[in-house]
Amino acid sequence: DQQVKQNSPSLSVQEGRISILNCDYTNSMFDYFLWYKKYPAEGPTFLISISSIKDKNEDGRFTVFLNKSAKHLSLHIVPSQPGDSAVYFCAASAQGNTGKLIFGQGTTLQVKP
Amino acid sequence: NAGVTQTPKFRILKIGQSMTLQCAQDMNHNYMYWYRQDPGMGLKLIYYSVGAGITDKGEVPNGYNVSRSTTEYFPLRLELAAPSQTSVYFCASRRHRDRGYTEAFFGQGTRLTVV
Repeated sequence: DQQVKQNSPSLSVQEGRISILNCDYTNSMFDYFLWYKKYPAEGPTFLISISSIKDKNEDGRFTVFLNKSAKHLSLHIVPSQPGDSAVYFCAASAQGNTGKLIFGQGTTLQVKP
Repeated sequence: NAGVTQTPKFRILKIGQSMTLQCAQDMNHNYMYWYRQDPGMGLKLIYYSVGAGITDKGEVPNGYNVSRSTTEYFPLRLELAAPSQTSVYFCASRRHRDRGYTEAFFGQGTRLTVV
């Protein structure tokens, strides 16, 4: 029962271009969505989040879009940089659920110089 | 600025041995979590705590135990190690707010191998 799914295990883009990472969820009770970035041998670090009452949140080069009707969110990175190469996890939380995060499987992004 | 500190970073256990994974946070966060990450998979919640003295099971609690006697520490205990517990373990903490959501901060992980 995978409540949060990232169907693309990997993505490769050229430096300077846009990276789009996708995430689908099944639980309509989720009301916060977060993206975490993870480098090898390190813990995940928070990148950006979005509340279910919004459809877009932007922070510098990173923008997250939420389509509630499709139960889909995406992370856009523009422009992509080699330092963005990492594993990106989508995560979701239901507020009444003690803030527990349900994670997707992750997408490995490689940005080529 | 320590944040969330996990020890040890690496450990090899023999089947049937026991060990405690340590986790400490210095941000006075009331919520703490233990996750495990298997290769090619996302993080699965093992146990969590909403405050000192309060713990509850997550998605994959079998084979583990936790305690939370203080706000700062949240150790994870493996009593009889099994090969299926070979994984990378992450501890996380976050500050609870009645409204809105606050992100969780993660430790660097403990890589455990059971042979």
